[in-house]
Amino acid sequence: SAVISQKPSRDICQRGTSLTIQCQVDSQVTMMFWYRQQPGQSLTLIATANQGSEATYESGFVIDKFPISRPNLTFSTLTVSNMSPEDSSIYLCSVETGLGSPLHFGNGTRLTVT
Amino acid sequence: QKEVEQDPGPLSVPEGAIVSLNCTYSNSAFQYFMWYRQYSRKGPELLMYTYSSGNKEDGRFTAQVDKSSKYISLFIRDSQPSDSATYLCAMSLKDGTSYGKLTFGQGTILTVHP
Repeated sequence: SAVISQKPSRDICQRGTSLTIQCQVDSQVTMMFWYRQQPGQSLTLIATANQGSEATYESGFVIDKFPISRPNLTFSTLTVSNMSPEDSSIYLCSVETGLGSPLHFGNGTRLTVT
Repeated sequence: QKEVEQDPGPLSVPEGAIVSLNCTYSNSAFQYFMWYRQYSRKGPELLMYTYSSGNKEDGRFTAQVDKSSKYISLFIRDSQPSDSATYLCAMSLKDGTSYGKLTFGQGTILTVHP
């Protein structure tokens, strides 16, 4: 399976600031997704990162708050903008290595907003 | 009502026990069923996946899907302390050629004590 590296692994940020999370995969993948895991809750899909075009966001998530880039088949970024304490979560990058193949996840970025 | 319901536990069993983890779902259109294991401070790790009703075995793990009852299970035989983790069920519809938009259960915390 693909090796997925996320940076940073954790960060503590002040409210009102923004943080960009990077996801690097060691091989080309068909699909990349960003998920959020809030404290004590399960994973929720934020958006699909589309290569060369705008991301597709799920209900409740908007581009202004979570801008996403995917410049090529191995890399994506998620920015958490104008952060508030409610954004404290684990943000996870996941990839689909082939058509119809199951998702693999990175180890996540643990974000705390103070 | 959540689309996917999973008993969060916690579940504590002695080493060597058979563990049964379960999820129910409400959306009969789900086609793809997965189980992930998540250790503390790590991303979810894919354990099993299946498209069809019935049983699928992999070593000490058996995944069972009953689409008519909208019920999936994961059985762990001869459980080991290293199996102590959070187990997440996940399922998805087909979106084009991708099954990557997963709906997760809340996760069951399992502890296997020596």
